[in-house]
This record gives sequence, structure tokens and C-alpha cells, in this order.
Amino acid sequence: ETGVTQTPRHLVMGMTNKKSLKCEQHLGHNAMYWYKQSAKKPLELMFVYNFKEQTENNSVPSRFSPECPNSSHLFLHLHTLQPEDSALYLCASSRDPGFSGNTIYFGEGSWLTVV
Amino acid sequence: GQQVMQIPQYQHVQEGEDFTTYCNSSTTLSNIQWYKQRPGGHPVFLIQLVKSGEVKKQKRLTFQFGEAKKNSSLHITATQTTDVGTYFCAGDNAGNMLTFGGGTRLMVKP
Repeated sequence: ETGVTQTPRHLVMGMTNKKSLKCEQHLGHNAMYWYKQSAKKPLELMFVYNFKEQTENNSVPSRFSPECPNSSHLFLHLHTLQPEDSALYLCASSRDPGFSGNTIYFGEGSWLTVV
Repeated sequence: GQQVMQIPQYQHVQEGEDFTTYCNSSTTLSNIQWYKQRPGGHPVFLIQLVKSGEVKKQKRLTFQFGEAKKNSSLHITATQTTDVGTYFCAGDNAGNMLTFGGGTRLMVKP
């Protein structure tokens, strides 16, 4: 039990599908993150939300759309993805990204395959 | 922007041999963290180093933070098969976003 729960754990979707990844943290943290992990880029930061506000968007294509309704929940909406988007998507949370010594707690990840 | 580099990218060792991974930052860090990701798992926080020249130990793992606070190392003594995984360092630049290195994948032959 990591304190950060991700669903689904595995997802196979076609390039024309629309799907969403869900993340929930039970740690009372203020910040939530989406990371993409692939063979080419081991830990690639995608989005950061702090107190529900998006503070980082690392030039992520618009086919990935994050949503953070509150500090405990984070979604990643997926549409018209490409096969190269197949990867492990890791959700994470932390106390405060601007706090020195901020430790990141990762979920178990959602394995995405785009066919 | 801040860059954090790790070497080597991969390391094969025989069980019982020592292992070291090195982390270098392009900027001075306020602290550095280390994470371990087992095969098929997710990154898990191991330790944080804050002071210049700091050395911390966790059983067979020794973590070191450089005097200039721009580099760090993780040394594993007498590796075991349970040490298999990818080790990531992450640099914290005084309240800015934590920047992860590319990781070192350790493989241990029994």
C-alpha cells in the first residue's frame, strides 16, 4: 500500500479511443504529479498540480489532458493517442513542490498500450 | 534549466560484488534524494542528503553528498539479488521542482 492509488493498472486502447487514468492519494498532500516512464526517458515529468492549480506543463501534447478536481484526486484524460505514447504512467503526490526536502510518493502506475 | 545526470546507465555485477552509481547536477543542490524502483514496480524513496559532505548508511547501502553539493553517490557493498532494480537520484534546487536523473539499472547474477 503506497498511499497513492492508480486505476486502471493496465489499459489497452485504440488510437481513436478516449480513456482516462485515475489517481487518488490518501496522504494529505497538497501536490500531485503525472510522470511518464518509458525505455527512452525513464522518468519524464508531465504535469504538476499544487493546491488543485496546475503549476507545470512540460510541453505535453494536447492529446493528454489532466484534471485535478481536488488535492486528493488527479485524472489524465487520453484521446487520439499514438503508439509511441505506450508507456507506464505514474501518478505521485508530495507535501509541497516548493518545499525543500519534498519527497515524492509514487503510485504503482498504469501500463498503457496504444494499438 | 537544472540537469541531473547519472552514470552508469546499466551495471551487471556478480552477486557479492560491490556496486556504485554516480549522480551529477549542473547546479548546486539544496538536497538530494535517492529512490529505488524494483522491476515491474514503482520508484520508492530511500533517503535524503542535505549537508555538504554528508554520508548516510542503510545496511549495505552508503549514500554520499559531495562537498560542493553538486554530486552524490550510492554504493552497495556485497550485492544481493534483492538489490536488483533501477536507482534514481533526484536533485532539489532550493524549492524548485525535484529533478530526477536517468537512473542506473542494476542487474545481479546469482
